[in-house]
Amino acid sequence: DIQMTQSPSSLSASVGDRVTIACRASQSINSYLNWYQQKPGKAPILLISAASSLQSGVPSRFSGSGSGTDFTLTISSLQPEDFATYYCHQSYTTPRTFGQGTKLEIK
Amino acid sequence: QVQLQESGPGLVKPSQTLSLTCSVSGGSISSGYYYWSWIRQHPGKGLEWIGYIYYNGRTYYNPSLKNRVTISVDTSKNQFSLKVSSVTAADTAVYYCAREPQLDPGGVDPWGQGTLVTVSS
Repeated sequence: DIQMTQSPSSLSASVGDRVTIACRASQSINSYLNWYQQKPGKAPILLISAASSLQSGVPSRFSGSGSGTDFTLTISSLQPEDFATYYCHQSYTTPRTFGQGTKLEIK
Repeated sequence: QVQLQESGPGLVKPSQTLSLTCSVSGGSISSGYYYWSWIRQHPGKGLEWIGYIYYNGRTYYNPSLKNRVTISVDTSKNQFSLKVSSVTAADTAVYYCAREPQLDPGGVDPWGQGTLVTVSS
């Protein structure tokens, strides 16, 4: 199985901050990397697919980059509604695997 | 727009079989462009991919669940289903059904709202 490792596991930040979350795959997954946002009691929402493709309706302050084994999700200016848990996910091969999550909290 | 909705018992006894159904609206399972997935989340934990099915019945399962999982599709009802046999407390989780593109390198979208299944006597 491809292991997905996110860092950090948790992060405290303030409204307006620029935040970056990293995701590393245990082997190359080309650009088959997706990012999700999950709020408590809700299903995950797809933010970015194929490493850098912003989904329709997702604010432009979210961006993704990377290829191969190293990827990042950046939020350029944190808004109150962005405090949530973020997961990366590889769709390169089965079994599909997710990172352990990064919990973004208000400082 | 496509919407997915899970249904099934919220409580299952140990050693029995967990059975869930996902109803798809706003689009056809038979369209051929998507895999229809099951993903679960243990309480307070991360996401675990269970498997998916194509409209023609071809399936892919997570080996971690060994031979306990069966995913099936009913195109006439626009539904797909999950069965997990010989459940234990470790199968207590929120179960999500979802859709993933078959060919494009896209992510899982949309997701159902999720249903909590508790394994307890």
